[in-house]
Amino acid sequence: AQRVTQPEKLLSVFKGAPVELKCNYSYSGSPELFWYVQYSRQRLQLLLRHISRESIKGFTADLNKGETSFHLKKPFAQEEDSAMYYCALSKTGFQKLVFGTGTRLLVSP
Amino acid sequence: KAGVTQTPRYLIKTRGQQVTLSCSPISGHRSVSWYQQTPGQGLQFLFEYFSETQRNKGNFPGRFSGRQFSNSRSEMNVSTLELGDSALYLCASSLGGANEQFFGPGTRLTVL
Repeated sequence: AQRVTQPEKLLSVFKGAPVELKCNYSYSGSPELFWYVQYSRQRLQLLLRHISRESIKGFTADLNKGETSFHLKKPFAQEEDSAMYYCALSKTGFQKLVFGTGTRLLVSP
Repeated sequence: KAGVTQTPRYLIKTRGQQVTLSCSPISGHRSVSWYQQTPGQGLQFLFEYFSETQRNKGNFPGRFSGRQFSNSRSEMNVSTLELGDSALYLCASSLGGANEQFFGPGTRLTVL
């Protein structure tokens, strides 16, 4: 079965602190992994995907197939990073996304 | 270019009624996917349409159906509404395949 687990509902940090949002998945095969973000009163939008290997807004995520994880990291959190973050997977080349339950990141000044 | 639009934005229905939600994709996008978002179950995939054909379906009862028109606009229909159908319904459009999905603002359905 396809499953995405985000163990933390809420992650609260101070500005400038490192951030790591955890994501573990179960999937038989080679999935594609994504991080989506939803800022307050905005639409759900793609933050990054593992195949692009990009750093977006200072965030990075490395796919660890051995640990079946795709944790999202940022070395220095900013207040504007406060948002809801969703980890998701899909079968490579397919549109169907399986989402985790999301982690709310709160960055305090 | 204009983003994904969904109408209506808010809807209140009573149990037993049916409802139709509409999604207009980004121009040129032929894939439209629908998701249900609830506090209890989170974001769940309903179905995907590409060039008027349903390509994938999630684990929802047959009361949930959809279609796509030749201009790629899509509708989803829920018949015999239940209280548990209260949710935010999101649609996303894409060029298809491995391309990025762009989400709409959602339709908030409340079933009384």
